Amino acid sequence: DGGITQSPKYLFRKEGQNVTLSCEQNLNHDAMYWYRQDPGQGLRLIYYSQIVNDFQKGDIAEGYSVSREKKESFPLTVTSAQKNPTAFYLCASRGQFGSTEAFFGQGTRLTVV
Amino acid sequence: SQQGEEDPQALSIQEGENATMNCSYKTSINNLQWYRQNSGRGLVHLILIRSNEREKHSGRLRVTLDTSKKSSSLLITASRAADTASYFCAPEETSGSRLTFGEGTQLTVNP
Repeated sequence: DGGITQSPKYLFRKEGQNVTLSCEQNLNHDAMYWYRQDPGQGLRLIYYSQIVNDFQKGDIAEGYSVSREKKESFPLTVTSAQKNPTAFYLCASRGQFGSTEAFFGQGTRLTVV
Repeated sequence: SQQGEEDPQALSIQEGENATMNCSYKTSINNLQWYRQNSGRGLVHLILIRSNEREKHSGRLRVTLDTSKKSSSLLITASRAADTASYFCAPEETSGSRLTFGEGTQLTVNP
């Protein structure tokens, strides 16, 4: 089945640690996105990538890093520089730039303990 | 960056009633999309309307777009309890690379 998969579903991190959230898609999509969602809030764009080996900062990139070495994969690292990382993280992908629908993963809920 | 603002923030109706949500945006767009999110899940695409379209239907959904007023509305007819979710609009600028969302409208349909 084609789709976009995020793992793990739940993730716990100790303060000061880096953690990496996985996002994989087999839809042959060029563009991929990472969002953060806090309780009762909307989605805020962290990073996005339109093509392999290229990515751009979104609105809240500080404390996060990404890579796009393969078309299928767009992992997000939450670094220790992110002071308030507890949130719900969503990954999305879509085809040619613009005018197409985005497909979302089921999300990763990150909690700092 | 282009971002839609949904209104109202929350809407509570009875099953069978119609639900209307609005979206306003600031700059010229190529298209506008509506998405739905069930609690704790990813977003699901509902409908896309292009800048040269004024109205579009999909099942019980009706979307309108008024580019002169920079606004769109999503109407859900004959609502069901299963329609309870958050609804987001995503106006897309002509550049088409970023995809951003507003705060959403939380719809509750009471059985």
